[in-house]
Amino acid sequence: DAGVIQSPRHEVTEMGQEVTLRCKPISGHDYLFWYRQTMMRGLELLIYFNNNVPIDDSGMPEDRFSAKMPNASFSTLKIQPSEPRDSAVYFCASSQTILPNTIYFGEGSWLTVV
Amino acid sequence: SQQGEEDPQALSIQEGENATMNCSYKTSINNLQWYRQNSGRGLVHLILIRSNEREKHSGRLRVTLDTSKKSSSLLITASRAADTASYFCATSRGNTGNQFYFGTGTSLTVIP
Repeated sequence: DAGVIQSPRHEVTEMGQEVTLRCKPISGHDYLFWYRQTMMRGLELLIYFNNNVPIDDSGMPEDRFSAKMPNASFSTLKIQPSEPRDSAVYFCASSQTILPNTIYFGEGSWLTVV
Repeated sequence: SQQGEEDPQALSIQEGENATMNCSYKTSINNLQWYRQNSGRGLVHLILIRSNEREKHSGRLRVTLDTSKKSSSLLITASRAADTASYFCATSRGNTGNQFYFGTGTSLTVIP
């Protein structure tokens, strides 16, 4: 299996622009997670899906952030409009329900908002 | 962090020495997992310990769990330069045990 695939790997954008991050989870995994990692706040769980349905989005920082999972093999995290404080590494991860419910991470999308 | 804290925040040791990292968490858990993150990469799973287990081994890794103290430790024996990375604990909670929260991480440097 190719693992969790994220794109883009790196993005530099100007403040106010829309940013869309993409994720393809591991086939057969029914949970998908979006995390954000910064030096100040560590690794934060933003939102997670089970069987394509958002279960908990309490970690989404603001209404500027939205996430969708239209099917089992694709998810997006969108920031509109972006701000410099959104600069971070955004990780997508997936897991299956049954134990061991190990989380498999993608390599991350490094976002810089200038 | 959303769930727990690792300590120390940073640890520097000589190759061949043992490295011990601790994790404290705040709420009851289903299981606890340790992950490793190399610089610029995603996190990789190392070991899982269930809430009803007290100790687990995997190769050079030894994990302990004390649910009464809400704490866990990760011991890496006979460290190698390649063990240099950040180490995170993740606690699984929620109705299905599939809601994961990570600590702040311990940055380990192993000096050759």
